[in-house]
Amino acid sequence: QVQLVQSGAEVRRPGASVKVSCKASGYTFTDHWMHWVRQAPGQGLEWMGIINPSGVSTSYAQKFQGRVTMTRDTSTSTDYLELSSLRSEDTAVYYCTRDVSRDDRSWWFDFWGQGTLVTVSS
Amino acid sequence: SSDLTQDPAVSVALGQTVRITCQGDSLRTYYASWYQVKPGQAPLLVIYAKNNRPSGIPDRFSGSSSGNTASLTITGAQAEDEADYYCNCRDSSAFRWVFGGGTKLTVL
Repeated sequence: QVQLVQSGAEVRRPGASVKVSCKASGYTFTDHWMHWVRQAPGQGLEWMGIINPSGVSTSYAQKFQGRVTMTRDTSTSTDYLELSSLRSEDTAVYYCTRDVSRDDRSWWFDFWGQGTLVTVSS
Repeated sequence: SSDLTQDPAVSVALGQTVRITCQGDSLRTYYASWYQVKPGQAPLLVIYAKNNRPSGIPDRFSGSSSGNTASLTITGAQAEDEADYYCNCRDSSAFRWVFGGGTKLTVL
C-alpha cells in the first residue's frame, strides 16, 4: 500500500531553516511527481511547489521563491522540503502529497503524508 | 486571475443535498480536484478528474464542471461530512497549482 511518512515536528527560531522529509513506499517512486502543501493554524491549504520524478526539476510558488528548496533522493525514495529565513508566519503543518495526472486536463493529489508541524518562535 | 474562489461557509440539514462551488479562470482549462479536511487530519481526496471518486469515498459525493465553475455535491449529507472542503487545479497561466480558500461545511 502507498505510504508517505514524514519526519517529526520541529521548532525553530526566526531566521533559521528547517528541512522536512517525506519517505515514500508501496509504489515506484520515480513514476510520480511530488507536491508540498502547507496549512497554517486557522488558515487554508497553500500550495508550495512540486518536484519531478527524477528530482532534477522543480517549480515553486512565487511566494516562496528564494526561500524554498525541494530535493529528492531516489536511492531512498525520500523527498525533502527545506525552508529558510523562517518567520512566525511559517508556523504551519507541512504535507507532502503524491501527484497523479491523466490526459492534459486532470491532476490530483491522491496520497498525503501525515503532516509535519513546524513551529517558528523566539 | 489564477485564483480559485469558494464560499467561506455553507450549511446543510442532515440528509439533505448541498453543493459547494469553486470559481476560477483556470477551471476553463483544467478539472478541479476536491479535498476534505477535518481537524488534526491530513487532507483526503474526495473527487478528481471532474467526477471520479477514489476507492472508499461514498457515492453521495459527486463533482461537476461547467465553464469557470466546478462543483462538489453531497447528496444526503451525513454528520461525518462536516469538514472543510478545498478545490484545487493547475494554473492555466503557469506551472503551478492553486487551492481555493476553502468552504466550511456544517451539517445541522
